[in-house]
Amino acid sequence: NAGVTQTPKFQVLKTGQSMTLQCAQDMNHEYMSWYRQDPGMGLRLIHYSVGAGITDQGEVPNGYNVSRSTTEDFPLRLLSAAPSQTSVYFCASSPTIGTGNSPLHFGNGTRLTVT
Amino acid sequence: AQSVTQPDIHITVSEGASLELRCNYSYGATPYLFWYVQSPGQGLQLLLKYFSGDTLVQGIKGFEAEFKRSQSSFNLRKPSVHWSDAAEYFCAVGAGDYGQNFVFGPGTRLSVLP
Repeated sequence: NAGVTQTPKFQVLKTGQSMTLQCAQDMNHEYMSWYRQDPGMGLRLIHYSVGAGITDQGEVPNGYNVSRSTTEDFPLRLLSAAPSQTSVYFCASSPTIGTGNSPLHFGNGTRLTVT
Repeated sequence: AQSVTQPDIHITVSEGASLELRCNYSYGATPYLFWYVQSPGQGLQLLLKYFSGDTLVQGIKGFEAEFKRSQSSFNLRKPSVHWSDAAEYFCAVGAGDYGQNFVFGPGTRLSVLP
């Protein structure tokens, strides 16, 4: 029972490079989301998806793209990395979207440094 | 817009002492409220949640939280802290059309003295 799996665990990029953070869940959850965690700011929502083929922006979407071609996978793409994107990124999923009280299941995070 | 504040950035308590972590939220309707815990290098784990009914909710690891609508608060408590409770604690409110998006507070880091 893997839950939510994020890869890689650590990544260093140079300014201007692009990369994709991978997220996969094996729980058949409808809802998936990406957060970034910065000191003193908690977690902020980047993008989310309520099902395959459906994505929407969260609080801090600029500089990031997402797609949801399958229920299991929700990759996050950094188009042109900037030092301001240095952060810890968490993927999370939830079984339902209708009730609003389903807790999130988190991956273990990807620590990204942009130099 | 929804928001969550956690007034204490860092709290230190002695092992065996009681603990209360504060959380205040801003939300127009009845909120869905959550407490999560994060150990170093790990993702977040759900401690407890409130969405209706009894305003005192019990969670895992001996934690409880009380929802007070009049004070817009959802404080987390534990009667006797263990060294393994040292971690960062996040309060969150469910937002969005179905409450499926979460707004997190900035977190409170808990240190436990032996």
